[in-house]
Amino acid sequence: QVHLQESGPGLVKPSETLSLTCSVSGDSLNTYYWSWVRQPPGKGLECIGYIYYSGSVNYNPSLKSRLTMSIDTSKNQFSLKLHSVTSADAAVYYCARAGRGAFDVWGQGTMVTVAS
Amino acid sequence: DIQMTQSPSTLSASVGDRVIITCRASQSVSSSLAWYQQKPGKAPKLLIYRALTLESGVPSRFSGSGSGTEFTLTISSLQPDDFATYYCQQYYNYLLWTFGQGTKVEMK
Repeated sequence: QVHLQESGPGLVKPSETLSLTCSVSGDSLNTYYWSWVRQPPGKGLECIGYIYYSGSVNYNPSLKSRLTMSIDTSKNQFSLKLHSVTSADAAVYYCARAGRGAFDVWGQGTMVTVAS
Repeated sequence: DIQMTQSPSTLSASVGDRVIITCRASQSVSSSLAWYQQKPGKAPKLLIYRALTLESGVPSRFSGSGSGTEFTLTISSLQPDDFATYYCQQYYNYLLWTFGQGTKVEMK
């Protein structure tokens, strides 16, 4: 059974960098698109971007200038860095597996608060 | 960007009701559309992909239809476990996958 687990600080200061890691068990990273989705409190879902095992990435254009994704197949992990955060970046962040676009496996999500 | 618009935003229904949620795309997404169910405090759960293919383990009372720009999610007989928020998502545009704003199914 495939399991995804997000980890990282739950509190980030404004203008600093939000860093999250998704650990994958029960599957190899050498297939699928490994993705990040976020959901501000009380709001809908937003695709942040995805990374393929080769390292090729696709970012949401609205976040592209602040976003870095990476993948470590040896550790079966992929990561997200969002730079220069503001209160608008406060959300539950989910990692998810995308089989050509549909997210079929999700992590439980991690809430990130942006505050000084 | 492809905009996804769901209707209604909120739907009040009773157990046993037939429920239909509509999702419209601002341009054709062919059949590259998925539906999710989300309960409070939980991650979304994939129900349907490729517009009408039921994900493994999802009850058969859920069904999807449509192609191009108009899609529906139907729950044939609403069960207590189905009260939740439902989202559509297009994955036709590989540059940016987008979700609808969600439809909350609440108890009448």
